[in-house]
Amino acid sequence: DGGITQSPKYLFRKEGQNVTLSCEQNLNHDAMYWYRQDPGQGLRLIYYSQIVNDFQKGDIAEGYSVSREKKESFPLTVTSAQKNPTAFYLCASRRSAGNTGELFFGEGSRLTVL
Amino acid sequence: KNQVEQSPQSLIILEGKNCTLQCNYTVSPFSNLRWYKQDTGRGPVSLTIMTFSENTKSNGRYTATLDADTKQSSLHITASQLSDSASYICVVMSEYGNKLVFGAGTILRVKS
Repeated sequence: DGGITQSPKYLFRKEGQNVTLSCEQNLNHDAMYWYRQDPGQGLRLIYYSQIVNDFQKGDIAEGYSVSREKKESFPLTVTSAQKNPTAFYLCASRRSAGNTGELFFGEGSRLTVL
Repeated sequence: KNQVEQSPQSLIILEGKNCTLQCNYTVSPFSNLRWYKQDTGRGPVSLTIMTFSENTKSNGRYTATLDADTKQSSLHITASQLSDSASYICVVMSEYGNKLVFGAGTILRVKS
């Protein structure tokens, strides 16, 4: 079945460590996104990519980094520079960034900083 | 400033009852509005999309309405079921840069 796979589902990190969240899609979508979800707030855009080898900062990119070396993959690294990384992270994809098509989401990764 | 406001913040209803969730937006220029359902600890799933020319759209027991003049949308759930317990998120797309603006969601709990 086509879809978006995020891993790991749960991740614990010590302060000062970098962690990488995986996002893989087999929908043949060009555009991929990373969002952060905190209680009582709407999803906030971290980074997005419209095409391989290209990505753009979203509204809250500080302390995060991404890569888009393959169409199917868009990993997110939460660096030690991110001051409050504990959150639920959602990866999403769309056929292309310019259309009105549905945004498909992965199941999310919950990161907790100990 | 582009914003999406949802109300109520949370809601508890008895199984079998109906409910209506509200979404007000200031996103301009408007392209479309989607309602998503997010089960606890899962990713959101699209329920319906509303474009400028559409007033009402149904998806099973879910009916969405859109009033583009007042910039309001509602999601009506009929004959609620326990499985309807979730967060319902309103997302509005702006034509400028295809920017998506997310509401904070309404948490619905259906109890028996």
